[in-house]
Amino acid sequence: DAGITQSPRYKITETGRQVTLMCHQTWSHSYMFWYRQDLGHGLRLIYYSAAADITDKGEVPDGYVVSRSKTENFPLTLESATRSQTSVYFCASSEGLAGWSDEQFFGPGTRLTVL
Amino acid sequence: AQSVTQLDSQVPVFEEAPVELRCNYSSSVSVYLFWYVQYPNQGLQLLLKYLSGSTLVESINGFEAEFNKSQTSFHLRKPSVHISDTAEYFCAVSQGYSTLTFGKGTMLLVSP
Repeated sequence: DAGITQSPRYKITETGRQVTLMCHQTWSHSYMFWYRQDLGHGLRLIYYSAAADITDKGEVPDGYVVSRSKTENFPLTLESATRSQTSVYFCASSEGLAGWSDEQFFGPGTRLTVL
Repeated sequence: AQSVTQLDSQVPVFEEAPVELRCNYSSSVSVYLFWYVQYPNQGLQLLLKYLSGSTLVESINGFEAEFNKSQTSFHLRKPSVHISDTAEYFCAVSQGYSTLTFGKGTMLLVSP
């Protein structure tokens, strides 16, 4: 399917476990992003990537790790999950041709619960 | 640093009534401004954006927003809302060389 997909859509895990959230886009967009959405905070940027093998921290990167070995994939790993990481996670992508004025396209989200 | 303030967390309105969702930003340089909409259980999608030129921008479904540099605002308006407009609306700003900063969102609740 064309577009941007996330998996899993729902995940329950326990404190201290490692969790990886997957993101895949079929447009060959240069930029990819990970946000978390929490009530009262809106969306906050965790990490972003301008191209394969290029990643950078966003506003709330602590406790997360990303990689981007292929243009189309941008997994997000919680190395040791904590309750404060319970959230809805959104992946997004943009062409990157016009910099930060480009439209970002969002995936459907992953709802993560850490017990 | 840039920041975005959405003054209302929730706006209830009756169908066919006009609505305004307020957004103010802070930035010392020129900005790009966006409104994104999130329907229930979905990701965000772009509603409209201001990059340069005309300060009034419109979307295909009847929303419009006006960039006001002196008041550092980018309020979203619609003259007559529909039930299907019920969603959460996010204002976002970029300074052009920086990532997007989103506001906390405004939930628009349209009732019959």
